[in-house]
Amino acid sequence: DVKVTQSSRYLVKRTGEKVFLECVQDMDHENMFWYRQDPGLGLRLIYFSYDVKMKEKGDIPEGYSVSREKKERFSLILESASTNQTSMYLCASSLSSGVRDTQYFGPGTRLTVL
Amino acid sequence: EDKVVQSPLSLVVHEGDTVTLNCSYEVTNFRSLLWYKQEKKAPTFLFMLTSSGIEKKSGRLSSILDKKELSSILNITATQTGDSAIYLCAVGSNTGNQFYFGTGTSLTVIP
Repeated sequence: DVKVTQSSRYLVKRTGEKVFLECVQDMDHENMFWYRQDPGLGLRLIYFSYDVKMKEKGDIPEGYSVSREKKERFSLILESASTNQTSMYLCASSLSSGVRDTQYFGPGTRLTVL
Repeated sequence: EDKVVQSPLSLVVHEGDTVTLNCSYEVTNFRSLLWYKQEKKAPTFLFMLTSSGIEKKSGRLSSILDKKELSSILNITATQTGDSAIYLCAVGSNTGNQFYFGTGTSLTVIP
Protein backbone atom coordinates (compact mmCIF):
# COMPACT_ATOMS: atom_id res chain seq x y z
CA ASP A 1 0.00 0.00 0.00
CA VAL A 2 1.27 3.42 -0.95
CA LYS A 3 1.66 5.73 1.96
CA VAL A 4 1.98 9.48 1.71
CA THR A 5 2.37 11.28 5.00
CA GLN A 6 2.35 14.96 5.85
CA SER A 7 4.05 16.41 8.88
CA SER A 8 1.02 18.13 10.42
CA ARG A 9 -2.77 17.80 10.10
CA TYR A 10 -3.44 21.27 11.52
CA LEU A 11 -1.15 24.27 11.76
CA VAL A 12 -1.72 27.82 12.99
CA LYS A 13 0.89 30.46 12.17
CA ARG A 14 1.18 34.22 12.35
CA THR A 15 1.58 36.57 9.41
CA GLY A 16 5.22 36.88 8.43
CA GLU A 17 6.33 33.55 9.89
CA LYS A 18 8.28 31.05 7.81
CA VAL A 19 6.31 27.83 7.44
CA PHE A 20 7.57 24.38 6.44
CA LEU A 21 5.20 21.67 5.26
CA GLU A 22 6.78 18.26 4.86
CA CYS A 23 5.61 15.36 2.72
CA VAL A 24 7.08 11.86 2.65
CA GLN A 25 6.14 8.94 0.39
CA ASP A 26 7.35 5.38 0.74
CA MET A 27 6.78 3.96 -2.75
CA ASP A 28 9.83 5.24 -4.59
CA HIS A 29 7.67 7.49 -6.76
CA GLU A 30 9.46 9.87 -9.10
CA ASN A 31 6.81 12.59 -9.12
CA MET A 32 5.63 14.61 -6.14
CA PHE A 33 3.14 17.46 -6.05
CA TRP A 34 1.90 20.18 -3.76
CA TYR A 35 -1.66 21.47 -4.15
CA ARG A 36 -3.82 23.84 -2.22
CA GLN A 37 -7.54 23.31 -2.03
CA ASP A 38 -10.00 26.14 -1.46
CA PRO A 39 -13.80 26.07 -1.60
CA GLY A 40 -15.08 26.75 -5.08
CA LEU A 41 -11.59 26.67 -6.61
CA GLY A 42 -10.79 22.98 -6.42
CA LEU A 43 -7.22 21.75 -6.29
CA ARG A 44 -4.63 24.12 -7.66
CA LEU A 45 -1.09 23.02 -8.32
CA ILE A 46 1.59 25.02 -6.53
CA TYR A 47 4.76 23.14 -7.47
CA PHE A 48 5.74 19.68 -8.59
CA SER A 49 8.93 17.72 -8.83
CA TYR A 50 9.76 14.89 -11.21
CA ASP A 51 13.12 14.01 -9.74
CA VAL A 52 15.45 14.81 -6.87
CA LYS A 53 16.51 18.46 -6.94
CA MET A 54 14.17 19.10 -9.88
CA LYS A 55 11.13 21.34 -9.53
CA GLU A 56 8.56 22.95 -11.77
CA LYS A 57 6.17 25.78 -11.04
CA GLY A 58 2.50 24.95 -11.11
CA ASP A 59 -0.40 27.34 -11.50
CA ILE A 60 0.09 29.39 -8.31
CA PRO A 61 3.75 29.33 -7.20
CA GLU A 62 3.87 32.91 -5.91
CA GLY A 63 4.71 33.11 -2.24
CA TYR A 64 5.91 29.49 -2.12
CA SER A 65 9.11 27.58 -2.67
CA VAL A 66 9.92 23.89 -2.54
CA SER A 67 12.79 21.57 -1.80
CA ARG A 68 13.44 18.01 -2.90
CA GLU A 69 16.78 16.82 -1.57
CA LYS A 70 15.75 13.16 -1.32
CA LYS A 71 13.41 11.16 -3.54
CA GLU A 72 10.95 10.37 -0.78
CA ARG A 73 10.62 13.87 0.66
CA PHE A 74 9.12 17.03 -0.83
CA SER A 75 8.90 20.17 1.27
CA LEU A 76 6.74 23.23 0.71
CA ILE A 77 8.01 26.47 2.19
CA LEU A 78 6.10 29.67 2.82
CA GLU A 79 8.86 32.22 3.22
CA SER A 80 6.62 34.82 4.87
CA ALA A 81 3.13 33.53 5.55
CA SER A 82 0.17 35.72 4.69
CA THR A 83 -3.51 35.41 5.55
CA ASN A 84 -4.41 34.57 1.95
CA GLN A 85 -2.33 31.41 2.31
CA THR A 86 -4.83 30.01 4.78
CA SER A 87 -5.89 26.83 3.05
CA MET A 88 -5.83 23.04 2.94
CA TYR A 89 -2.51 21.83 1.54
CA LEU A 90 -2.37 18.43 -0.11
CA CYS A 91 0.72 16.54 -1.12
CA ALA A 92 0.60 13.77 -3.73
CA SER A 93 2.99 11.38 -5.42
CA SER A 94 2.87 9.27 -8.57
CA LEU A 95 4.97 7.07 -10.79
CA SER A 96 6.24 8.67 -13.97
CA SER A 97 3.61 7.57 -16.44
CA GLY A 98 1.96 4.65 -18.12
CA VAL A 99 -0.67 2.28 -16.84
CA ARG A 100 0.00 3.04 -13.20
CA ASP A 101 -0.74 6.70 -13.63
CA THR A 102 -2.39 7.36 -10.29
CA GLN A 103 -1.76 10.08 -7.79
CA TYR A 104 -1.74 9.10 -4.15
CA PHE A 105 -2.60 11.84 -1.70
CA GLY A 106 -1.47 12.55 1.81
CA PRO A 107 -4.04 13.38 4.51
CA GLY A 108 -3.64 17.12 4.06
CA THR A 109 -2.50 19.98 6.28
CA ARG A 110 -5.03 22.62 7.20
CA LEU A 111 -3.01 25.81 7.61
CA THR A 112 -4.45 28.91 9.25
CA VAL A 113 -2.47 32.14 9.07
CA LEU A 114 -3.57 34.78 11.58
CA GLU B 1 -5.02 27.08 -21.45
CA ASP B 2 -5.46 23.58 -20.08
CA LYS B 3 -8.64 23.13 -18.08
CA VAL B 4 -10.99 20.57 -16.61
CA VAL B 5 -14.64 21.41 -16.03
CA GLN B 6 -17.03 19.36 -13.92
CA SER B 7 -20.80 19.54 -13.80
CA PRO B 8 -22.98 19.90 -11.95
CA LEU B 9 -21.21 21.79 -9.16
CA SER B 10 -23.49 20.22 -6.60
CA LEU B 11 -26.24 17.68 -6.48
CA VAL B 12 -28.72 16.53 -3.84
CA VAL B 13 -30.46 13.21 -4.37
CA HIS B 14 -32.41 10.66 -2.37
CA GLU B 15 -31.07 7.26 -1.43
CA GLY B 16 -31.65 4.79 -4.23
CA ASP B 17 -31.40 7.37 -7.01
CA THR B 18 -28.91 7.04 -9.88
CA VAL B 19 -26.61 9.98 -10.57
CA THR B 20 -24.35 10.93 -13.48
CA LEU B 21 -21.43 13.27 -12.97
CA ASN B 22 -19.72 14.92 -15.90
CA CYS B 23 -16.16 15.90 -16.61
CA SER B 24 -14.97 17.68 -19.75
CA TYR B 25 -11.42 18.69 -20.50
CA GLU B 26 -9.14 20.65 -22.76
CA VAL B 27 -5.68 19.41 -21.95
CA THR B 28 -2.66 19.38 -24.22
CA ASN B 29 -1.14 15.98 -24.77
CA PHE B 30 -3.77 13.98 -22.89
CA ARG B 31 -2.50 10.91 -21.07
CA SER B 32 -5.23 9.78 -18.65
CA LEU B 33 -8.36 10.82 -16.81
CA LEU B 34 -8.80 10.01 -13.15
CA TRP B 35 -11.78 10.11 -10.80
CA TYR B 36 -11.40 10.61 -7.05
CA LYS B 37 -13.78 10.63 -4.11
CA GLN B 38 -13.09 13.11 -1.34
CA GLU B 39 -14.86 13.00 1.99
CA LYS B 40 -13.52 14.95 4.95
CA LYS B 41 -9.96 14.06 4.14
CA ALA B 42 -7.63 13.54 1.19
CA PRO B 43 -8.99 12.34 -2.16
CA THR B 44 -9.08 8.60 -2.68
CA PHE B 45 -8.62 7.07 -6.10
CA LEU B 46 -11.62 5.56 -7.92
CA PHE B 47 -10.79 5.03 -11.59
CA MET B 48 -8.18 5.72 -14.22
CA LEU B 49 -9.29 5.88 -17.84
CA THR B 50 -7.04 6.01 -20.86
CA SER B 51 -9.03 4.41 -23.68
CA SER B 52 -12.29 5.59 -25.17
CA GLY B 53 -15.42 3.49 -24.81
CA ILE B 54 -14.16 1.04 -22.21
CA GLU B 55 -16.26 1.13 -19.08
CA LYS B 56 -14.57 0.73 -15.73
CA LYS B 57 -16.75 -0.64 -12.97
CA SER B 58 -16.45 -0.99 -9.23
CA GLY B 59 -19.59 -2.07 -7.42
CA ARG B 60 -22.25 0.58 -7.96
CA LEU B 61 -19.78 3.00 -9.57
CA SER B 62 -18.82 3.02 -13.20
CA SER B 63 -17.06 5.40 -15.53
CA ILE B 64 -16.37 5.78 -19.22
CA LEU B 65 -14.19 8.06 -21.33
CA ASP B 66 -15.09 9.62 -24.67
CA LYS B 67 -11.92 10.99 -26.25
CA LYS B 68 -13.81 12.36 -29.24
CA GLU B 69 -16.02 14.48 -27.01
CA LEU B 70 -13.15 15.13 -24.57
CA SER B 71 -15.29 14.06 -21.67
CA SER B 72 -16.02 11.39 -19.12
CA ILE B 73 -18.97 10.43 -16.96
CA LEU B 74 -19.10 8.83 -13.54
CA ASN B 75 -22.28 6.92 -12.75
CA ILE B 76 -23.43 5.89 -9.31
CA THR B 77 -26.45 3.60 -9.11
CA ALA B 78 -28.63 2.92 -6.06
CA THR B 79 -26.96 5.76 -4.16
CA GLN B 80 -26.38 5.49 -0.41
CA THR B 81 -25.69 8.16 2.21
CA GLY B 82 -22.09 6.96 2.29
CA ASP B 83 -21.72 8.15 -1.31
CA SER B 84 -22.01 11.75 -0.08
CA ALA B 85 -18.70 13.37 -0.98
CA ILE B 86 -16.95 15.63 -3.44
CA TYR B 87 -16.07 13.80 -6.65
CA LEU B 88 -12.99 15.12 -8.39
CA CYS B 89 -11.93 14.63 -11.97
CA ALA B 90 -8.28 15.05 -12.95
CA VAL B 91 -6.55 14.80 -16.31
CA GLY B 92 -2.94 13.77 -16.65
CA SER B 93 -0.81 15.35 -19.33
CA ASN B 94 2.34 14.05 -20.94
CA THR B 95 3.56 17.62 -21.04
CA GLY B 96 5.52 17.91 -17.83
CA ASN B 97 3.71 15.03 -16.10
CA GLN B 98 1.11 17.40 -14.69
CA PHE B 99 -2.42 16.69 -13.50
CA TYR B 100 -5.21 19.20 -13.99
CA PHE B 101 -8.13 19.09 -11.58
CA GLY B 102 -11.71 20.18 -11.94
CA THR B 103 -13.41 22.01 -9.06
CA GLY B 104 -15.37 18.89 -8.16
CA THR B 105 -19.02 17.91 -7.88
CA SER B 106 -20.45 17.90 -4.37
CA LEU B 107 -22.92 15.05 -4.00
CA THR B 108 -25.28 14.84 -1.05
CA VAL B 109 -27.42 11.74 -0.65
CA ILE B 110 -30.32 12.14 1.78
CA PRO B 111 -32.10 9.20 3.38
